[in-house]
Amino acid sequence: AAGVIQSPRHLIKEKRETATLKCYPIPRHDTVYWYQQGPGQDPQFLISFYEKMQSDKGSIPDRFSAQQFSDYHSELNMSSLELGDSALYFCASSLGGTAFTDTQYFGPGTRLTVL
Amino acid sequence: DAKTTQPTSMDCAEGRAANLPCNHSTISGNEYVYWYRQIHSQGPQYIIHGLKNNETNEMASLIITEDRKSSTLILPHATLRDTAVYYCIVRVAYNNAGNMLTFGGGTRLMVKP
Repeated sequence: AAGVIQSPRHLIKEKRETATLKCYPIPRHDTVYWYQQGPGQDPQFLISFYEKMQSDKGSIPDRFSAQQFSDYHSELNMSSLELGDSALYFCASSLGGTAFTDTQYFGPGTRLTVL
Repeated sequence: DAKTTQPTSMDCAEGRAANLPCNHSTISGNEYVYWYRQIHSQGPQYIIHGLKNNETNEMASLIITEDRKSSTLILPHATLRDTAVYYCIVRVAYNNAGNMLTFGGGTRLMVKP
């Protein structure tokens, strides 16, 4: 079965640079979620989109922005990168509507390293 | 969403059943119990979820107490590949979508030969 695709899988950036992470949800899924996982920490919710509209917002820095496009893929844009932004970034997708379709399925993640 | 409490770590012998408990004493009537696991640095993997009835799928069984204040995830025949951090998460489902998952602590299960 098709899964969530994230690109790139690894990314190395310098401080103050920008980065764009991409997420392609499971076909027919209309909801996308972004999570950040720092070293030794649990995943933390950043932001989500349902039908191209922002639906929930967590502890996402103002330097980050995201959007969902008409084909439901999503991009997380990160500017003025800091050393503390080094983390795993996971995207998850779901099909909103009922309890048994709203389950979130996660991608393999993008490992961002800021030097 | 209701808070959950899980043991920090557990060991299990390969081939034996792994029983992972979770307490969620403040769960509301419209909140589901979800279980995910994360194998080292991989994306969290959905295992199972339920509301009040016991559930079973190809991966595991979920037993929810009658008062819904606690649950147990059962891996019937644990293998070395089941070594992971297991998260019990309580959340409202299908609420106009976009409901986040709140990961907290989890149980680090070590399956030993």
